[in-house]
Amino acid sequence: ETGVTQTPRHLVMGMTNKKSLKCEQHLGHNAMYWYKQSAKKPLELMFVYNFKEQTENNSVPSRFSPECPNSSHLFLHLHTLQPEDSALYLCASSLAGEAVDTQYFGPGTRLTVL
Amino acid sequence: GQNIDQPTEMTATEGAIVQINCTYQTSGFNGLFWYQQHAGEAPTFLSYNVLDGLEEKGRFSSFLSRSKGYSYLLLKELQMKDSASYLCAVRDQNYQLIWGAGTKLIIKP
Repeated sequence: ETGVTQTPRHLVMGMTNKKSLKCEQHLGHNAMYWYKQSAKKPLELMFVYNFKEQTENNSVPSRFSPECPNSSHLFLHLHTLQPEDSALYLCASSLAGEAVDTQYFGPGTRLTVL
Repeated sequence: GQNIDQPTEMTATEGAIVQINCTYQTSGFNGLFWYQQHAGEAPTFLSYNVLDGLEEKGRFSSFLSRSKGYSYLLLKELQMKDSASYLCAVRDQNYQLIWGAGTKLIIKP
């Protein structure tokens, strides 16, 4: 496996379900990100982890809960979601501290909340 | 507030040249990124500008004017595979990326 991988690629869940999204990066990076992408809207940054420590939480509802057990893995735990949470959830990683600090993205999880 | 503006959609012809503009108003500036995103796929990094001027990379070039808060992505010799969304993002004074909504580029034969 190379780059940034995400599973599952597609997820349909009811509002009472609990599920988790997984992200893994194979680039030796030390920062990981969760974004939400809705149609025709800018990417919304949800969470940032630097060296496994959460450094950003952009007013995300508590029904989204991130977990970063190490610098290669990132999870997003979901519970009691709302239909408006349906979107593409993208994970990214970067080498924090580099001058350019380019973010590399995974293919995303297409989430549908019924 | 912080804002990135880019056209919602553009159409161009195979073999032609297209310029996608991006204007920004942000709290500080620490670089501008362009990404390409094909439908259903990950955004992929195209270019980075932090100084004024033109950066050329094969068929793609990116230009920046910090005084005008303006950038463009220039795509030459368009191919059908260039049909995608192009995302502009600016890194602000806190080194956080502010994203535009993307420009969907449609290439016609």
